[in-house]
Order: sequence, then C-alpha cells, then structure tokens
Amino acid sequence: DTEVTQTPKHLVMGMTNKKSLKCEQHMGHRAMYWYKQKAKKPPELMFVYSYEKLSINESVPSRFSPECPNSSLLNLHLHALQPEDSALYLCASSQGTGSYEQYFGPGTRLTVT
Amino acid sequence: GQNIDQPTEMTATEGAIVQINCTYQTSGFNGLFWYQQHAGEAPTFLSYNVLDGLEEKGRFSSFLSRSKGYSYLLLKELQMKDSASYLCAVNQAGTALIFGKGTTLSVSS
Repeated sequence: DTEVTQTPKHLVMGMTNKKSLKCEQHMGHRAMYWYKQKAKKPPELMFVYSYEKLSINESVPSRFSPECPNSSLLNLHLHALQPEDSALYLCASSQGTGSYEQYFGPGTRLTVT
Repeated sequence: GQNIDQPTEMTATEGAIVQINCTYQTSGFNGLFWYQQHAGEAPTFLSYNVLDGLEEKGRFSSFLSRSKGYSYLLLKELQMKDSASYLCAVNQAGTALIFGKGTTLSVSS
C-alpha cells in the first residue's frame, strides 16, 4: 500500500468556522508533512512531523494548528482563516526526513469565504 | 540562502526529446528530486539523484552535477500525457524538500 489518503477532497468554510483536514498513511513512514499550494505555484512547506513530534514549523500563522495523534495520522486544524488561505493543502509522508521519496496525498481543495 | 531555478514553460511535440534544467544554490544538499504534477493532482515522484551522474528510468532520465549545482530531467519519446508541471526539489540536510517554481511542459501533436 503506497497510498496517502486525505479527507475531505473539497472544503468551503467561512472565516469564523473551525474545521480539520485529515491525512492517513499505512506505509510505516515516520515523517509526515503539510504543504500549501496556490494555483500555478510549487508546494510550500508548512509543517514536518518526525516520529510524531513537530520538527519544523515554517513560520505558519497560528490559525493553522497541526496534530499527529499517532504514526499513521496527521491532522491540520483550521480556525479563523482568511480568504487568502484558500489553496490546495497537500499531505505527504516518507520513511524519514532524510533523502527519502515523499508520497503525496491527493490534497484538500480549501475555499475560505 | 536558497534558490532553485528552472524554466517556467516549455513546449515540445509528440515523439520528441525534451530536457528540463534546474540549477540550485542551497545551504545544504542531501539529494535532488524530480516530481511530475498534472493540473489539479498531487505531485508524483519521478527520480532522485544524490551522486553525480545519470539515473535512467524508462523514458525519463535525470542527471546531477553537485559541483555545478545543476540537474536536468530528460524526457524521451514524448507523449501527450507528459503535459504537466515538472518540479525540481532539493533536500537540504536536516530539513524537508525545497521546491523550485516548476516547469510547465506542453506537448502537442
């Protein structure tokens, strides 16, 4: 199983809503990532978890809150987002944070109204 | 600092060969990856180079020169389905992938 799954596929939320994005992998990978991708731009790294601990936070605003409940799951909690946060949110996993191939999920298309 | 450069757009015809270049300046280097991304889809892994030289995988090959901070992705026998964005990404030692802006390749018949 080389699949990373993400739910939901699409999400529309208002600026006062609270929602969560979910990511799951069953490849035994110990590193998991959240990326944000705007149209016609490359993925931008947001967070890295290594062995269920947050190892990198790329100065992401606190309205984005990551959580890694266990080695297979990664959540991104959203609160009080802005319209400019509308983007494709990609989850990825890899064996470790070294030179390992990252497997990407299909993404969640988020629209903030 | 870090900087990864690749051309914004390229066009080619079916059956042709195309080379997408990538130059990088990063504070650490732990390997270079190429990913393919079709519009509206997730990136998929194509190749990985950490030592100098050429890695071949079917129609796709990737080359790395660490001393020059240079890589290229070579696509042979182009097909329409190869129309996509091609992302060069560097793994900086101790951090995750840093992506270039991507090269949009359009293949025409």
